[in-house]
Amino acid sequence: GAVVSQHPSWVICKSGTSVKIECRSLDFQATTMFWYRQFPKQSLMLMATSNEGSKATYEQGVEKDKFLINHASLTLSTLTVTSAHPEDSSFYICSARGLTGSPRDEQFFGPGTRLTVL
Amino acid sequence: SQKIEQNSEALNIQEGKTATLTCNYTNYSPAYLQWYRQDPGRGPVFLLLIRENEKEKRKERLKVTFDTTLKQSLFHITASQPADSATYLCALGTTGKLIFGQGTTLQVKP
Repeated sequence: GAVVSQHPSWVICKSGTSVKIECRSLDFQATTMFWYRQFPKQSLMLMATSNEGSKATYEQGVEKDKFLINHASLTLSTLTVTSAHPEDSSFYICSARGLTGSPRDEQFFGPGTRLTVL
Repeated sequence: SQKIEQNSEALNIQEGKTATLTCNYTNYSPAYLQWYRQDPGRGPVFLLLIRENEKEKRKERLKVTFDTTLKQSLFHITASQPADSATYLCALGTTGKLIFGQGTTLQVKP
């Protein structure tokens, strides 16, 4: 149980295009989903917290107009990187927290999406 | 400033030995701390959670300690195996979100 999937697993795009990444909780409902970014040999950096049906909360320094997050249902959140540039190339990972909503609940992570912008 | 530090160097140990990984933090007051395992090109996998009022937690060959006075957590893997080779991340739980350390890479040699 508690499986989170991401699609696509990798994507290569041209500079200036937009890319959408999907995050799904497959066997549980997630009130809260998180989006992280990880550069090589670095830690996971939280980009935003997404609650179903409400606007995402972005971390300081993350441009909300560039990284659009939608959490339309309890099992799906999407991250759209708009007008992507080479510096946006990174490993994007989502996680989901279970329906109890307890902040102490473990987060279940997706397998990640490798984005390469040419 | 706020900081989370894990062993910066990779940890190389012999199979069967105990691996000990360190997570130190400053200027945080976490309500809980979690440890995750991450393999190359994959998302993290949850291992253990320890709360601020707990000193120690065990799960099979894993043991975590949490000293809020020292602001430190130690993560132990006993009877280590080559399959334990991975990067291990500590994460502080605060205000409903996780703040991750940079991870320690463990290599267990047969």
